[in-house]
Amino acid sequence: GESVGLHLPTLSVQEGDNSIINCAYSNSASDYFIWYKQESGKGPQFIIDIRSNMDKRQGQRVTVLLNKTVKHLSLQIAATQPGDSAVYFCAENISGANSKLTFGKGITLSVRP
Amino acid sequence: GAVVSQHPSRVICKSGTSVKIECRSLDFQATTMFWYRQFPKQSLMLMATSNEGSKATYEQGVEKDKFLINHASLTLSTLTVTSAHPEDSSFYICSARDHGTSSPDTQYFGPGTRLTVL
Repeated sequence: GESVGLHLPTLSVQEGDNSIINCAYSNSASDYFIWYKQESGKGPQFIIDIRSNMDKRQGQRVTVLLNKTVKHLSLQIAATQPGDSAVYFCAENISGANSKLTFGKGITLSVRP
Repeated sequence: GAVVSQHPSRVICKSGTSVKIECRSLDFQATTMFWYRQFPKQSLMLMATSNEGSKATYEQGVEKDKFLINHASLTLSTLTVTSAHPEDSSFYICSARDHGTSSPDTQYFGPGTRLTVL
């Protein structure tokens, strides 16, 4: 079946640098995408979302980019901080009454002080 | 807004016993809630979709008689792991959708429940 996947299992960045986390999705019918952050022993925390009618959306220190042509999603974190260290998941969704999220495998972001 | 709670946060039980986990939407009404299971260093796996006032929809491979779901109100869904065995030890996470927002597809997650079956 179709799935959402992440390119890299781990990412190590220097504090203060920008981080880019990439995600590939394969379901062309997906029209809504979410990035979640999960700290150890906690539930996923909503970071930012984007609909398929957009290609970029910005939040506070985070930006999500969507390239529907190549089915690629990325999360950019500006000025990465130690508190950003966590596992990041992308998730895709087909909107509707019976919609449900399909999660990618997750990538660990480690911030070096 | 959009806060979801779970209780208990951690539970240890003996093999063969049943465990109930509660999921509550604290500041919104959730006609739909979801139950996930997550094993160490793995992603979230959807177990079932819980709809208020109707039967849950289970994903393929999830035993509905083992994982009983009840969604009796717009703010509460419960997951009961019946006759738990060590292989059921996992991190169980619920989520809820707030249909009253401009993003009704967004799921907000609870803090999770760590189940350990001895």
